[in-house]
Amino acid sequence: EAGVAQSPRYKIIEKRQSVAFWCNPISGHATLYWYQQILGQGPKLLIQFQNNGVVDDSQLPKDRFSAERLKGVDSTLKIQPAKLEDSAVYLCASSLELEEHSGYTFGSGTRLTVV
Amino acid sequence: QQQVKQSPQSLIVQKGGISIINCAYENTAFDYFPWYQQFPGKGPALLIAIRPDVSEKKEGRFTISFNKSAKQFSLHIMDSQPGDSATYFCAARTFGNEKLTFGTGTRLTIIP
Repeated sequence: EAGVAQSPRYKIIEKRQSVAFWCNPISGHATLYWYQQILGQGPKLLIQFQNNGVVDDSQLPKDRFSAERLKGVDSTLKIQPAKLEDSAVYLCASSLELEEHSGYTFGSGTRLTVV
Repeated sequence: QQQVKQSPQSLIVQKGGISIINCAYENTAFDYFPWYQQFPGKGPALLIAIRPDVSEKKEGRFTISFNKSAKQFSLHIMDSQPGDSATYFCAARTFGNEKLTFGTGTRLTIIP
């Protein structure tokens, strides 16, 4: 089966610019997650979708970050305006069902550098 | 606070040796403890996982030991190979919520 697809792989922007990341989860996976992984740290959940509804966005900096999952499939994560501390790898993951943990499948991530 | 503490930060093991990575947690509502393996430029991949009703789970060369009373769990890699060189993350999940809380990671290097 195809994995979780993410694009772009790399992005370099100046602070105060905006950026968007795209994720296509595994077909049939109802739950989609965006994680932020700062260098040397474990991934931190930003937002969790169940189909096209938000389950948890408690750690999403809503003044600058936004995410959507239209039609319960693809998702985009946007940062506007970006700050230097947003430099990180943004990982998208998907899983089958909310209650049955079969393990996340992560994409390869988008490495964002804010200069 | 939902935290998972992981140690060591980095580990160097000789080929054929045993690699041991430890994690500790505070939240007793955690009910599922997976380990993820991450290679450079790739996303983390599920390696092995355990639930708190068992004390040990083994899959090939990988074993999780779980101590519920101490709120600790560890990953053992037997007969470590150079291909095992990667960053390993422990994680924990609360029942009914698929959100994972990750440890800070251990960079494992296996030397010949």
